[in-house]
Amino acid sequence: GENVEQHPSTLSVQEGDSAVIKCTYSDSASNYFPWYKQELGKGPQLIIDIRSNVGEKKDQRIAVTLNKTAKHFSLHITETQPEDSAVYFCAARVTSGTYKYIFGTGTRLKVLA
Amino acid sequence: KAGVTQTPRYLIKTRGQQVTLSCSPISGHRSVSWYQQTPGQGLQFLFEYFSETQRNKGNFPGRFSGRQFSNSRSEMNVSTLELGDSALYLCASSLVGPETQYFGPGTRLLVL
Repeated sequence: GENVEQHPSTLSVQEGDSAVIKCTYSDSASNYFPWYKQELGKGPQLIIDIRSNVGEKKDQRIAVTLNKTAKHFSLHITETQPEDSAVYFCAARVTSGTYKYIFGTGTRLKVLA
Repeated sequence: KAGVTQTPRYLIKTRGQQVTLSCSPISGHRSVSWYQQTPGQGLQFLFEYFSETQRNKGNFPGRFSGRQFSNSRSEMNVSTLELGDSALYLCASSLVGPETQYFGPGTRLLVL
């Protein structure tokens, strides 16, 4: 069935280091991959997204890469700051017939000052 | 532009009761989706409404229902509450459906 695996579940990095979160999707009909950041007591906030016709997208310290052949996509955060500490979710949109979003299980990122 | 708003933000109910949650989408957005978020199951899709019609549905029992009004505001209802219904219920809106979704802050429901 449709599934998105996300790793790692927790990640601790020193301030200034880079963080990488990886996701793998199962449905080849997936064509859009957003990443969300969720802070304590808040709803998920979209931070970056990528469509299936693009291999990489960057927005300041955040970048996302997509490997359609391997069905992998990754979030890269450079020069991490304490305010980057949050739970990050990847998602894949499936549009076969109707459409829906399948979410990964989340990665808790801690940036240590 | 104001974001997605959800009311109430917190609710405490007892088993067997019913509850209604409300979501107001971003102005101009016509699609509203609902999700249940729990530590064990993550984010799970409940249903999506567009133009007052349920267009997509996840794998939840019939106790979970929803509706959408002509102004795109949406409500979801859970009847005969169970302890396992304790969760953060998130609403997300998008223009007409498959585009980027924007989430509200959620309603945290505790069932005792």
